Amino acid sequence: DTGVSQNPRHKITKRGQNVTFRCDPISEHNRLYWYRQTLGQGPEFLTYFQNEAQLEKSRLLSDRFSAERPKGSFSTLEIQRTEQGDSAMYLCASSLGEVATNEKLFFGSGTQLSVL
Amino acid sequence: GENVGLHLPTLSVQEGDNSIINCAYSNSASDYFIWYKQESGKGPQFIIDIRSNMDKRQGQRVTVLLNKTVKHLSLQIAATQPGDSAVYFCAENIGFAAGTASKLTFGTGTRLQVTL
Repeated sequence: DTGVSQNPRHKITKRGQNVTFRCDPISEHNRLYWYRQTLGQGPEFLTYFQNEAQLEKSRLLSDRFSAERPKGSFSTLEIQRTEQGDSAMYLCASSLGEVATNEKLFFGSGTQLSVL
Repeated sequence: GENVGLHLPTLSVQEGDNSIINCAYSNSASDYFIWYKQESGKGPQFIIDIRSNMDKRQGQRVTVLLNKTVKHLSLQIAATQPGDSAVYFCAENIGFAAGTASKLTFGTGTRLQVTL
């Protein structure tokens, strides 16, 4: 499978616990994005990486959230001290990363987080 | 209210009929638009894209129309099939500048139900 891969598919946790999600983008893609989606809504941008550099973060990304892409390949998204409002689908997407070009994003199947 | 987002606009069409899904986008500076299809439990899947210098683009069984004057985008699906049942999102790229990434902003979505 050469698409965007996300793990785990589902995560159930108790409020206050930390969780970490992983995303493996399409191999030749330089850009990696994290989005969050709640029921009935479209995905909302959280952050993106150009190779290993995190270049933009949304105001939605509180300081309890941290994302890394240490070697410019896979990425992790960690949420510390989870709250019930963090319950959502966390989507990862990747794109080629061509400079000064609009690009289509390819999405993974997401990690569904439920905070009890 | 809290549950407003759960009540997606829904379009019901009979198998074999044509479907038209509409989207009003928000920013007149947007220069790139994508339609995504999202099935239950899966990430958004790319369908077709269009740049702002075009007003129509055709793919296999799908056509996207762009009216920049009224900031309106539509997706036409010919000979709708049961497998087309999903939620459809339009996404716009706002304020693209040289060297920045394609950061897409998604609309609320429309649920397409195909009846036999």
